[in-house]
Amino acid sequence: NAGVTQTPKFRVLKTGQSMTLLCAQDMNHEYMYWYRQDPGMGLRLIHYSVGEGTTAKGEVPDGYNVSRLKKQNFLLGLESAAPSQTSVYFCASSPTTLMGAKNIQYFGAGTRLSVL
Amino acid sequence: GESVGLHLPTLSVQEGDNSIINCAYSNSASDYFIWYKQESGKGPQFIIDIRSNMDKRQGQRVTVLLNKTVKHLSLQIAATQPGDSAVYFCAENSRGSNYKLTFGKGTLLTVNP
Repeated sequence: NAGVTQTPKFRVLKTGQSMTLLCAQDMNHEYMYWYRQDPGMGLRLIHYSVGEGTTAKGEVPDGYNVSRLKKQNFLLGLESAAPSQTSVYFCASSPTTLMGAKNIQYFGAGTRLSVL
Repeated sequence: GESVGLHLPTLSVQEGDNSIINCAYSNSASDYFIWYKQESGKGPQFIIDIRSNMDKRQGQRVTVLLNKTVKHLSLQIAATQPGDSAVYFCAENSRGSNYKLTFGKGTLLTVNP
C-alpha cells in the first residue's frame, strides 16, 4: 500500500539546471497537487490537476511547469532552477469528490531540493 | 486576502498533559476543515476533519472544535505522548474552491518526558 510516492527524495542543482520531480499515486485519485514548503511559510500550492490531461495554476506557479499524462502520475518541472526554488516539495492526491464529500489530501514524503 | 492562521507558533507540554492547538480562519465561505500532523522529515498526515455543520468531532485521543461565530478551530490532544511531537497544520476548504486546501503556517508541538 504505497499511497503517494515521490522521486527523488533529495537533489542538489546548480542555478540554470533543469529537473523533473515525479509523483505517483496508486489510490486511483482524480486530483493531484504540488506544494512547496518553506520555513515559516507553510504549504503553498504550485500547480494542481483535477484529472488526466488537465492542469491549473496554484498560488505560486512561476518558474514551474507540470504535466498529467497519466492519471496516476503528476510531474513537476523546473526548466531553469534558481536559488529561490530551494525548498521541500510535496505532492498530494485526493479522490473525486461528489457533492458533500470530503477533500482529504494524502501526501508523499517530500523531495528536498537545493539550488546552488 | 483570505487566510488561515495560528495563534501560537510553538507549544511545549509535559507528557500526559492535554494539548490544545488553535487556528483562526478568515474565509466566511470555509465549509470543511482538516488537521494534519507533520513529523520531522515526513509529509503531512491526516489526523481529523470537521464540516462546518458540526461544532465538535472526536477521534482517538483527538478532538476538533469549531466555532464558526468567531472563525476559530482547535485541536485537542488528550494525554499527550512523545510521539505526538510534530508540527500541526490546520487547513480549510471553501465552497467553490475546486477542492484546494488553504493551509495555516503550523504549530510546533514539543512533548517533554
